[in-house]
Amino acid sequence: EADIYQTPRYLVIGTGKKITLECSQTMGHDKMYWYQQDPGMELHLIHYSYGVNSTEKGDLSSESTVSRIRTEHFPLTLESARPSHTSQYLCASSFRTANEKLFFGSGTQLSVL
Amino acid sequence: SQQGEEDPQALSIQEGENATMNCSYKTSINNLQWYRQNSGRGLVHLILIRSNEREKHSGRLRVTLDTSKKSSSLLITASRAADTASYFCATDTGGSEKLVFGKGMKLTVNP
Repeated sequence: EADIYQTPRYLVIGTGKKITLECSQTMGHDKMYWYQQDPGMELHLIHYSYGVNSTEKGDLSSESTVSRIRTEHFPLTLESARPSHTSQYLCASSFRTANEKLFFGSGTQLSVL
Repeated sequence: SQQGEEDPQALSIQEGENATMNCSYKTSINNLQWYRQNSGRGLVHLILIRSNEREKHSGRLRVTLDTSKKSSSLLITASRAADTASYFCATDTGGSEKLVFGKGMKLTVNP
């Protein structure tokens, strides 16, 4: 079982709200990632980080932002949620690179009404 | 554009049968990985095969890689109901820190 945790598991909010999805890992991994996944679809990388104070945008354009102030913590923030943001958000980490094994959290299922 | 694509998109078998899933990709890779996702959960890493390897085993899993055909297959032998899940291939195309995932394949193992 991976030591990477996401909260909340489920979130239902109204349009225009600001939300933060939490992701923490206790494995000391430098690399962390956020993926977005719609039901039955592939994962799309939206943000990643090589380490503290490092953040990069992924392949899928996203209105979310991330921060990496501590190695173990990689939160994702939506300043103003919209229905189009409804999706599952998966956080992952790896020891060295994504070229090796990724450890995933259980995900946050976000519904914006 | 999508790099990996699993085939078939869905497979339903009986417990004890073998399940074979295929993944095709478009560009050259450093390695290819297979992941499993149970409904509503995160992904779990199953196995990684490097571009210079042709076959790898892990328990009931067997993965093959044919770089000339740009394809990989995942074989699950003696399947169990607990193997019911979606299976994804993911490719590392090199030169980046990013894995590219396919759309996944849903496997149902009936007891």
